Amino acid sequence: GENVEQHPSTLSVQEGDSAVIKCTYSDSASNYFPWYKQELGKRPQLIIDIRSNVGEKKDQRIAVTLNKTAKHFSLHITETQPEDSAVYFCAASPIYGGSQGNLIFGKGTKLSVKP
Amino acid sequence: SAVISQKPSRDICQRGTSLTIQCQVDSQVTMMFWYRQQPGQSLTLIATANQGSEATYESGFVIDKFPISRPNLTFSTLTVSNMSPEDSSIYLCSVEEFTGRGGYTFGSGTRLTVV
Repeated sequence: GENVEQHPSTLSVQEGDSAVIKCTYSDSASNYFPWYKQELGKRPQLIIDIRSNVGEKKDQRIAVTLNKTAKHFSLHITETQPEDSAVYFCAASPIYGGSQGNLIFGKGTKLSVKP
Repeated sequence: SAVISQKPSRDICQRGTSLTIQCQVDSQVTMMFWYRQQPGQSLTLIATANQGSEATYESGFVIDKFPISRPNLTFSTLTVSNMSPEDSSIYLCSVEEFTGRGGYTFGSGTRLTVV
């Protein structure tokens, strides 16, 4: 089955700096890769996702890149702000939609942005 | 995006008892997913619930311990049976979105403490 590795487990940056979180996956059939942000005591919130037919996707300060050959994808946050502090989870799914559309999550990265 | 109501939000239960968690969605969805998030950990899929058929359980999770009901396209329940302190976790339901930005949306979670 799918296995998702996420690094680093903790990341501390200064406000305004960039943050990069990397994930690798094992199942070449995976084709949907979302990123979730979870603030303390709250539910995971989808912040960006990418599908296997796209190499890069950007949404304001957040971008995700995907390298299917190497089976890795990364989250990039630019101009970090204190409110970006949270735990970020990557995930992979073999099929988007349908009975096999469940997500396999990485172990999470705790991002701290220091003002 | 779909609005998911999950009840109870938290509970403290005695070992050996059972707790039923409810998940209500404001729109009809085909698949509903139940996840467990142990303290400080990532999310692990328990089972996938499809209306009109038995739930599909992931490795390490069994129906006798986590029975699931899916009586219609907007509602599901997860029961945690014969609880032990090791069952202390956050339990979240999730649905797949096919409108808007898509992806998977999570309920607010049920924080369960077993004493």
